[in-house]
Amino acid sequence: GAVVSQHPSWVICKSGTSVKIECRSLDFQATTMFWYRQFPKQSLMLMATSNEGSKATYEQGVEKDKFLINHASLTLSTLTVTSAHPEDSSFYICSAPPGPHGYTFGSGTRLTVV
Amino acid sequence: QKEVEQNSGPLSVPEGAIASLNCTYSDRVSQSFFWYRQYSGKSPELIMSIYSNGDKEDGRFTAQLNKASQYVSLLIRDSQPSDSATYLCAGGKSGGSNYKLTFGKGTLLTVNP
Repeated sequence: GAVVSQHPSWVICKSGTSVKIECRSLDFQATTMFWYRQFPKQSLMLMATSNEGSKATYEQGVEKDKFLINHASLTLSTLTVTSAHPEDSSFYICSAPPGPHGYTFGSGTRLTVV
Repeated sequence: QKEVEQNSGPLSVPEGAIASLNCTYSDRVSQSFFWYRQYSGKSPELIMSIYSNGDKEDGRFTAQLNKASQYVSLLIRDSQPSDSATYLCAGGKSGGSNYKLTFGKGTLLTVNP
C-alpha cells in the first residue's frame, strides 16, 4: 500500500519552456504532498508543501511564480517549472506524509533543460 | 549548526564487514529519525525509522538513537555489494499533515566484493 506514482520519469526541455510533473497517490488520499529537489551529489531539499484545496506553502528562497504547485484533488499534486532554465535541471521528487510505512516517495523526475 | 549533518564519506568497506554510518542533528530537528537508501538516479527508500533512545534492529540493519548526544547511527552487518548506495539520514517533527523531513547530505557507501 501507500504508492505514489510520479510522471514523467525524465524530461528534456528547451530553455524558456514549461514542464509539468505529476504525482498521484494510487491507493490512498493525500491531503498534503511534499516536493523536493536534489542536485547531483547533494541532499534532498524541500521546495514546497502542497495542500489539497488551498495554496501551497513554499520554503524560503523558492520562487513561487517559477515553481507552480497545484493540489487539485486528494490524489493528484502537480509541480510546473515555468520558463525553465539550465540551472533548473535537477531531480524532482514528491513525497506523501507519513503513513504506517513511513514516508512514501515518488520515483522522481529527472529534468534536463537545454 | 546545520539541522542534520552526516559525514559525506565516501565510506568503503569489504564485503561481509560492518558499515557504520553516523548523523548528528540540531534541536530544531527532533523526535523522529529515518535512514533512507538511495541508489543513483532513484528515489530514496526507507531502511529504518527510530523514535526512542536506544537500538532498533531489523535484519542486518541496526539504528541507534542517542537524544542526549543528538546522534543517530546506522549499522549494516554482513555488508553486501548490493548495499552500495548513498545513505540519507533524515529528521522530522511529529504531528499533523505538515510533517516535514530534513535530510542530511548523505554518505556514499561502497561495499567491495
